[in-house]
Amino acid sequence: KNEVEQSPQNLTAQEGEFITINCSYSVGISALHWLQQHPGGGIVSLFMLSSGKKKHGRLIATINIQEKHSSLHITASHPRDSAVYICAVRCRKGSQGNLIFGKGTKLSVKP
Amino acid sequence: GAGVSQSPRYKVAKRGRDVALRCDSISGHVTLYWYRQTLGQGSEVLTYSQSDAQRDKSGRPSGRFSAERPERSVSTLKIQRTEQGDSAVYLCASLRPGSVGTEAFFGQGTRLTVV
Repeated sequence: KNEVEQSPQNLTAQEGEFITINCSYSVGISALHWLQQHPGGGIVSLFMLSSGKKKHGRLIATINIQEKHSSLHITASHPRDSAVYICAVRCRKGSQGNLIFGKGTKLSVKP
Repeated sequence: GAGVSQSPRYKVAKRGRDVALRCDSISGHVTLYWYRQTLGQGSEVLTYSQSDAQRDKSGRPSGRFSAERPERSVSTLKIQRTEQGDSAVYLCASLRPGSVGTEAFFGQGTRLTVV
């Protein structure tokens, strides 16, 4: 079992739909990142969370530390949101704090 | 600039050749990770280093990957004897302690194609 699990692996939505991507982890963490990768390969850091909820435009990220779970929501989805969304956690392991990545969720938003 | 930059953006290498990829991180950042993404296999960490380490610590079982930090804000990932399975997007992430936890900054990546 991976230490960071994302679901779903693939997601197809119609423009305007509300989208949720989930991330569960099994290790103690100091922070969780949501990343967006477009087909060209570039990665954008969307959010860094250690507790609660953050909002940026149409994107909302939440984290529940007790349940070891985070969600990324996209409201009023648009074709330009099509990308791979990756959850990454920074572990609280000694002093190094490894980054562990989920395998990503491929989102495709149809017009 | 204010972000993390990687070069080159695209690299084509013949199988068996060595390649070197560069990451310019942000001054003052403590930890730098190299990782790669491949279709179907997701992401894996290759190596990471703390700010005062010249040599990076490999998280990979294979000795073909290594990283050096000639300057505190520069890291070079070296891949020896490239294989076709090394074709991937290679990214570096630079971390620093922030007021509310560790902040991570990601480069745009280098797309490596091994032919």
